[in-house]
Amino acid sequence: GAGVSQTPSNKVTEKGKYVELRCDPISGHTALYWYRQSLGQGPEFLIYFQGTGAADDSGLPNDRFFAVRPEGSVSTLKIQRTERGDSAVYLCASSRIPGAWTEAFFGQGTRLTVV
Amino acid sequence: SQQGEEDPQALSIQEGENATMNCSYKTSINNLQWYRQNSGRGLVHLILIRSNEREKHSGRLRVTLDTSKKSSSLLITASRAADTASYFCASDRGSTLGRLYFGRGTQLTVWP
Repeated sequence: GAGVSQTPSNKVTEKGKYVELRCDPISGHTALYWYRQSLGQGPEFLIYFQGTGAADDSGLPNDRFFAVRPEGSVSTLKIQRTERGDSAVYLCASSRIPGAWTEAFFGQGTRLTVV
Repeated sequence: SQQGEEDPQALSIQEGENATMNCSYKTSINNLQWYRQNSGRGLVHLILIRSNEREKHSGRLRVTLDTSKKSSSLLITASRAADTASYFCASDRGSTLGRLYFGRGTQLTVWP
């Protein structure tokens, strides 16, 4: 596609529910990143995929958060037993090659609100 | 955790003026990047400067890097109302994996 696509753009869920957030990276980009951004803050790293495998998941806050990228393209971020503190904008980014020496292309994000 | 801090947190100027934003970071880096964000949604990459570079230009943008002071600055010349956005610096903390560490950003408002 032309850019990184994230769906849904907005998600409202009740506390305790399970949610899935989807990211379609730019075609051919091998690296995929998830970030979370709270109001008034910069994005905070969650997880990084190189191909199908999670190369760095050290940013996931706890075991309620999980992400997959089974075929090396689309990725899904899964949050179990959502809490009000999970409310944030979840941003996905991809880059053609791994590494911080290349620009990352960000999607428009999914705004998650837990009520 | 946040890697750096942008300064100022907010900046308000008139069209045509120059806008300077600063960024400090805490650890050694390979590269530092600047991103722009409109309305709290997607980020757009502006410019990347490598640790062995001191200055880089792209259109109306000028970025400097001082590794001895662990700081960078972004200058936007002849600002326009359309430049109104949040600006973030992001560093790699010396990692080669691609993970970026963002600051809290500077909210720039350019008045017509």
